[in-house]
Amino acid sequence: EVQLVESGGGLVQPGRSLKLSCAASGFTFSNYGMAWVCQAPTKGLEWVASISTGGGNTYYRDSVKGRFTISRDNAKNTLYLQMDSLRSEDTATYYCARENYPQGFDYWGQGVMVTVSS
Amino acid sequence: DVVLTQTPPTLSATIGQSVSISCRSSQSLLHSNGNTYLNWLLQRPGQPPQLLIYLVSRLESGVPNRFSGSGSGTDFTLKISGVEAEDLGVYYCVQSTHAPWTFGGGTKLELK
Repeated sequence: EVQLVESGGGLVQPGRSLKLSCAASGFTFSNYGMAWVCQAPTKGLEWVASISTGGGNTYYRDSVKGRFTISRDNAKNTLYLQMDSLRSEDTATYYCARENYPQGFDYWGQGVMVTVSS
Repeated sequence: DVVLTQTPPTLSATIGQSVSISCRSSQSLLHSNGNTYLNWLLQRPGQPPQLLIYLVSRLESGVPNRFSGSGSGTDFTLKISGVEAEDLGVYYCVQSTHAPWTFGGGTKLELK
């Protein structure tokens, strides 16, 4: 059974940093691209970042470029999102999702809440 | 960025009723490889999204066949033939033809 379990969320002050993790199991992690998708409270879904199978290619939405870094450790079956210079508008639930072809985001974690507030 | 517009934003239905949700794209979602990367997701209350349909009309494994998708180019439709209680939640269309991937604003399906 495919499982994605996020961790690392919490309350953080504006300008500070946070690192999210997503532990994957039930599939060959290194064979799949992975992504982070966020959902602000009572809002819709927004793609944040994606990473290729080996980690050599990364992609970001414009609003997080230069502040967020997506990475992965295939030996540990874990996806990461380093979030720096956090802003109040980054407040959201962050989901990690598996990227499959041609299905797109076919499995999602339960999500982790990030609150940016002073 | 591609803008996906879903209508209606809210849909009230009775159990057994058939309903449709529209997703319109600001540009064609036909990829140069001939595929159209338009998917449908369902997010039940308090749950993460789950994939229902991909490539416009292909049912994800395990998804009941009362769900169906259709459309091409810029206009797409999700149909539920006989709503069941477990179908309640928010439906999103999502495209991955053009970077960055974008989602529709969602359609909330509730009981009448």
